[in-house]
Amino acid sequence: DAKTTQPPSMDCAEGRAANLPCNHSTISGNEYVYWYRQIHSQGPQYIIHGLKNNETNEMASLIITEDRKSSTLILPHATLRDTAVYYCIVTAGNQFYFGTGTSLTVIP
Amino acid sequence: DVKVTQSSRYLVKRTGEKVFLECVQDMDHENMFWYRQDPGLGLRLIYFSYDVKMKEKGDIPEGYSVSREKKERFSLILESASTNQTSMYLCASSLATYEQYFGPGTRLTVT
Repeated sequence: DAKTTQPPSMDCAEGRAANLPCNHSTISGNEYVYWYRQIHSQGPQYIIHGLKNNETNEMASLIITEDRKSSTLILPHATLRDTAVYYCIVTAGNQFYFGTGTSLTVIP
Repeated sequence: DVKVTQSSRYLVKRTGEKVFLECVQDMDHENMFWYRQDPGLGLRLIYFSYDVKMKEKGDIPEGYSVSREKKERFSLILESASTNQTSMYLCASSLATYEQYFGPGTRLTVT
């Protein structure tokens, strides 16, 4: 069963920040939030994950609310190559439920 | 870099055939996974394995079996392929409870 809720699709202008929301209101204290993306016809690619604190890496930033019931993935300067389906996953262990994600389209 | 490879990118088989999908990872990961992906349904877990000769059913194991004789290799077996098993099959591996790394996928068509 899905533990996360994401909008089915979003658009973003090239060069602008893309903010992808995810609701996970039933998250448990030991569950992490993971983000993956899948570019057409490829396997999913790991982006970032976090538990409580905000995280940043070379690809993106992850903002988790204080109550941990929602999070936002931020791509700071979206490019056309960021067009993909983005999956938000909560898990405490090995099993990842991917759901249907958010289809992000970056518009030139 | 972690590399997960799958034996074929595209495969066409006939109904009733026994089908083997192979997955190999080169990073000594304990965990390996098989998913299928269908339009509108996202990725669904078929089977996973925590160690050699260990296997656990995922959400949709019916019609599939798996084999893990060596740590680096995880095989998905369709005992008698059916048209409703036409799908994209994705293999992944991970170290303990960390992020999963995916292969490029095998698009299987059963006619």
